[in-house]
Amino acid sequence: IVLTQSPGTLSLSPGERATLSCRASQTVSSTYLAWYQQKPGQAPRLLIYGASSRATGIPDRFSGSVSGTDFTLTISRLEPEDFAVYYCQQFGTSPLTFGGGTKVEIK
Amino acid sequence: QVQLVESGGGVVQPGRSLRLSCAASGFTFSSYAMHWVRQAPGKGLEWVAVISYDGVSEDYVDSVKGRFTISRDDSKNTLHLQMNSLRVVDTAVYYCAQSTAGGVFDIWGQGTMVTVSS
Repeated sequence: IVLTQSPGTLSLSPGERATLSCRASQTVSSTYLAWYQQKPGQAPRLLIYGASSRATGIPDRFSGSVSGTDFTLTISRLEPEDFAVYYCQQFGTSPLTFGGGTKVEIK
Repeated sequence: QVQLVESGGGVVQPGRSLRLSCAASGFTFSSYAMHWVRQAPGKGLEWVAVISYDGVSEDYVDSVKGRFTISRDDSKNTLHLQMNSLRVVDTAVYYCAQSTAGGVFDIWGQGTMVTVSS
């Protein structure tokens, strides 16, 4: 299953809302969709699992949703520490696959 | 605390072998499926392999099948990745990760760099 993330880069200012998209080439149950954040030089960190459930310790400004084969990660108000690369991932079908990533950069 | 620490990375020539290890602590290692995920320089994440919690089943991305072998030693809380016939395209940071719910990567190591170059 190919996951296509858009846009490739999102240029926003702190305090703005970020909307990241992840489209699957085939049906992916929401149960098997997760989102990760990765900062330079660091390992990825789990943000969202089951398409909309926040992982432990993740602030509520992060939310996930789904509509058909389109998954969305929303950051309601960007904090300085939120500028990073975000990946979606599906694990319902082998091989597990990640999207290409969306970089959220400071405008 | 819960921790995964990879080791074994380095520079190796094409066609040679390398064995990565991942030491787990702070959780019941034998209860979890474990994975390897890699990231080529400047690129995205690519899942590489998984081993079930009991070591009975394994799965690999097509590009490494027949060359890489994942294994675990629950007595030492350690995950391994034996990489044979290495190619330049295998150059990446290799992360080990613990998974729950079939494939949610809750815990990640810090990664170990593998460079395949002549």
